[in-house]
Amino acid sequence: QVQLVQSGSELKKPGASVKVSCKASGYTFTSFAINWVRQAPGQGLEWMGWINTNTGTPTYAQGFTGRFVFSLDISVSTASLQISGLKAEDTAVYYCAREYRYRYSYMDVWGKGTTVTVSS
Amino acid sequence: DIQLTQSPSFLSASVGNRVTITCRASQGISSHLAWYQQKPGTAPKLLIYAASTLQSGVPSRFSGSGSGTEFTLTISSLQPEDFATYYCQQLNSYPYSFGQGTKLEIK
Repeated sequence: QVQLVQSGSELKKPGASVKVSCKASGYTFTSFAINWVRQAPGQGLEWMGWINTNTGTPTYAQGFTGRFVFSLDISVSTASLQISGLKAEDTAVYYCAREYRYRYSYMDVWGKGTTVTVSS
Repeated sequence: DIQLTQSPSFLSASVGNRVTITCRASQGISSHLAWYQQKPGTAPKLLIYAASTLQSGVPSRFSGSGSGTEFTLTISSLQPEDFATYYCQQLNSYPYSFGQGTKLEIK
């Protein structure tokens, strides 16, 4: 079945880096964009940006430039989010989501989320 | 950037009630709006896209309407499994954005 499987929870110290993976299965990986969404504890959903799975071109929302990097490994149908220089405020659940694009766009398949905790 | 404002932020209702959640966009987005349901500890689930199209497998008690700047999500007869937080999202232009959410609680 169509699914996105994300890597497991991470506990990191401030200043460290983390890489969250999102492995797609059940569909042609390059046919759909991958979006990343952050949800801080007790807060709403925040769109971080997306990556074009055909070209590998990332687009970042304001506030997610510099320390955040989206990447792909097409050979294993996997998208990744790397965050460097972690801060306490990066503590959140990070979701990847498949974006269907035709006449209208929508995010129809979501990973279960990866919890990143930043604490000394 | 386009801001989405949902109202109300909290809603208390009983099983069987009809409820409506509103999402207002700071500028026109045609029908490029989706609605998601999120239960605690789980990923968001797509309910409606293109403002009014029901995603496959979603019960018909959910419906969406609107275009331009004002949109609504209606649940015709609340079921116990509908108590959750609901988000609207605009996909008209970058950066995509979400509303702040509406938490639907059992009365």
